[in-house]
Amino acid sequence: EVQVVESGGGLVKPGGSLRLSCAASGFPFSNAWMTWVRQAPGKGLEWVGRIKSKTDGGTTDCAAPVKGRFTISRDDSKNTLYLQMNSLKTEDTAVYYCTAQSGYHLKYWGQGTLVSVSS
Amino acid sequence: EIVLTQSPGTLSLSPGERATLPCRASQRVSSTYLAWYQQKPGQAPRLLIYGTSTRATGIPDRFSGSGSGTDFTLTISRLEPEDFAVYYCQQYGSSPLFGQGTRLEIK
Repeated sequence: EVQVVESGGGLVKPGGSLRLSCAASGFPFSNAWMTWVRQAPGKGLEWVGRIKSKTDGGTTDCAAPVKGRFTISRDDSKNTLYLQMNSLKTEDTAVYYCTAQSGYHLKYWGQGTLVSVSS
Repeated sequence: EIVLTQSPGTLSLSPGERATLPCRASQRVSSTYLAWYQQKPGQAPRLLIYGTSTRATGIPDRFSGSGSGTDFTLTISRLEPEDFAVYYCQQYGSSPLFGQGTRLEIK
């Protein structure tokens, strides 16, 4: 059974930092391109960033609104994905979903973790 | 950058009716790169359709996808009560990009 479980969300002040984790099982994590997607309250889905598998280079890419502030990493020995978020802004408030990419679509999704940025 | 437009934003139908949800791209999209997701309140999105017309594992056959070029459609042949949700189309250029979603509500 596939499981994708995010953790690490919470309330943080503007300018603060937070690290999200995503523990995955039930599929070959080390071969998967992993993606973070967020959803602001009452809004649609927004791609945050992606990390390729190590066999495909392990490179990362982030969306323009978070580039330079957010960093994605992975630990294949732990089947875990991370999202380090620095210099947080109020507009980063959202539910953050961890997803496993398959081809050109997002096949597996976690239940999400809420990040609230407020003073 | 390609923009996906889902209109109408809200569609009101009754159980048993047929639902047709359009997704229009601002530029041509390869059919390989077009997917659909369903999201119910308080839940994560769920993959429904990928490659324009391939149903994901466990998705009932009342859901179907079609289209090409700039116009794509998600069709639900006969609405069940559990189908009332928000539906997003997604295309993959250099990264995934979503439409703004269509809310399917009970009339």
